[in-house]
Amino acid sequence: KAGVTQTPRYLIKTRGQQVTLSCSPISGHRSVSWYQQTPGQGLQFLFEYFSETQRNKGNFPGRFSGRQFSNSRSEMNVSTLELGDSALYLCASSPSPLAGGGNEQFFGPGTRLTVL
Amino acid sequence: QQPVQSPQAVILREGEDAVINCSSSKALYSVHWYRQKHGEAPVFLMILLKGGEQKGHEKISASFNEKKQQSSLYLTASQLSYSGTYFCGTGFGGATNKLIFGTGTLLAVQP
Repeated sequence: KAGVTQTPRYLIKTRGQQVTLSCSPISGHRSVSWYQQTPGQGLQFLFEYFSETQRNKGNFPGRFSGRQFSNSRSEMNVSTLELGDSALYLCASSPSPLAGGGNEQFFGPGTRLTVL
Repeated sequence: QQPVQSPQAVILREGEDAVINCSSSKALYSVHWYRQKHGEAPVFLMILLKGGEQKGHEKISASFNEKKQQSSLYLTASQLSYSGTYFCGTGFGGATNKLIFGTGTLLAVQP
């Protein structure tokens, strides 16, 4: 079974630009979550999508947005990039959400975004 | 809200044991454990659910004290491959895959 794929793997942008990152979950998985990982803040939750609906959103500004398509693939967009947005962006694939967070999640390799 | 992990870092010799703790100030419904090696994605190790159910790696053991809102990961007879950063992720009520991750514990196993 193929794992979670994320594209692109590396990205360099300048302040003020926007960026779109893509995540393809494991076949059959319909839930995708996004996390931002930085050395200072660790792994921080961005969004959770299931059946094309955003179910949860983390404490990030409105510049961060996302969506999920009918084939469960997900994209996240960051507009008006800031230096502090430099991070590893990880998506995690999982079956349908279970009460209490009882599903294991499988992470993709991440997209390393550098903002200059 | 972010769970606190301890210790922050630990160095072991091969064959030694280690315990990593995860403590939350909020009621927990589940605790997930992941290991991340440098430059790689976090890898799932184990889930502990409220009520006692566990799912995960056969060679990993962990505990979940619901009343104290704490979990511990036990690494026995450590191998070089155990090196990495360990994260606990805490789940909450409702049907959601959202996790709040802990501060991380860096584990280095030396020959």
